[in-house]
Amino acid sequence: GAGVSQSPSNKVTEKGKDVELRCDPISGHTALYWYRQRLGQGLEFLIYFQGNSAPDKSGLPSDRFSAERTGESVSTLTIQRTQQEDSAVYLCASSFSGTGAYEQYFGPGTRLTVT
Amino acid sequence: GENVEQHPSTLSVQEGDSAVIKCTYSDSASNYFPWYKQELGKGPQLIIDIRSNVGEKKDQRIAVTLNKTAKHFSLHITETQPEDSAVYFCAASRTGNQFYFGTGTSLTVIP
Repeated sequence: GAGVSQSPSNKVTEKGKDVELRCDPISGHTALYWYRQRLGQGLEFLIYFQGNSAPDKSGLPSDRFSAERTGESVSTLTIQRTQQEDSAVYLCASSFSGTGAYEQYFGPGTRLTVT
Repeated sequence: GENVEQHPSTLSVQEGDSAVIKCTYSDSASNYFPWYKQELGKGPQLIIDIRSNVGEKKDQRIAVTLNKTAKHFSLHITETQPEDSAVYFCAASRTGNQFYFGTGTSLTVIP
């Protein structure tokens, strides 16, 4: 079946512009996660959704970052007024349950470059 | 918050040898420890996980051990093959909602 998909796969934007990154989780997966991965580094947790609500937003690095999820499906991560330090790969994962009892399935990521 | 450290950052082994990657964590309440393999240009893929009520788990050539007292866990890959070459990440979770990742180990298996 279809896995987690993300779009676009690559995004180059100018400093100060807004960007939207999209994640389509596996159908039926109730939990959805966003991570940021800087070059050569580990995954940094950004936000987690259970259904359409986000009980944990503690990882969002600044108020320029926001995310939403609708219909317990698609999620969008928005970065406003992008800065060069926002350059990274943004990964989305989904799982059947937010309890951590189930495997997280990752998408291929969106590589964001801010020039 | 939780802090996960991972060593080594790079590891080269000859094909057929074993590879060991170690992680430590700081939050004694963490109870779920997955390991992920990430190939170039792809998202991480879970290869094995262990919960705090188990000391060891094995799946064919891959095994994970957990020492709760010392707060460390390790990934063991035996009879390594070139296709095992990738970046491996450990992670720890307490709530199951937020996962803390190590910085990764780049494994190279030399044919």
